[in-house]
Amino acid sequence: GAGVSQSPRYKVAKRGQDVALRCDPISGHVSLFWYQQALGQGPEFLTYFQNEAQLDKSGLPSDRFFAERPEGSVSTLKIQRTQQEDSAVYLCASSLGALGVNTEAFFGQGTRLTVV
Amino acid sequence: DAKTTQPPSMDCAEGRAANLPCNHSTISGNEYVYWYRQIHSQGPQYIIHGLKNNETNEMASLIITEDRKSSTLILPHATLRDTAVYYCIVRVGGNTPLVFGKGTRLSVIA
Repeated sequence: GAGVSQSPRYKVAKRGQDVALRCDPISGHVSLFWYQQALGQGPEFLTYFQNEAQLDKSGLPSDRFFAERPEGSVSTLKIQRTQQEDSAVYLCASSLGALGVNTEAFFGQGTRLTVV
Repeated sequence: DAKTTQPPSMDCAEGRAANLPCNHSTISGNEYVYWYRQIHSQGPQYIIHGLKNNETNEMASLIITEDRKSSTLILPHATLRDTAVYYCIVRVGGNTPLVFGKGTRLSVIA
């Protein structure tokens, strides 16, 4: 497809389990963003990649959260030792823009993580 | 923190224009105004953006005041499918994160 694809769409994890969430951005998009959206709230920024470089990870809530984009395309968000407060929708977005270029971001449908 | 202020909710009759206001009184000269919307259970969707001139596309119009401290998103003929949360965001460029506030929940009523 032509859009941003995220998998799985839904994930139920037991507390303490590790999870990996995948994002396939639009082909050729330089920038990739991860967001966390709690129920009833707006999305909150987690981390940003320009190609394979992670330029901003200021939004990652703890060292249990780790993201990578090793070849500058597909990205994975990993959460170790999940806790109930990690339950949220995790959104991925990509944009063609690089530094100084002003373009729109395209979002995937998100992965809904429920920690029980 | 979001640099914008929006009303939490609005109603609009189907077929009428929906005018969604946004205050961004601390906007910098190089920051653009972006609008996104999020329909239930979907990711946010880009609508429009502008710097200082009014903008129009197939989805909406964006009116930015001359002092750039506020703007209005106009959906000219709202339909039931326009029911969503609308986010107004100020942003420097395409490589910077979007900072979402709580947005305005627009309900289009038949």
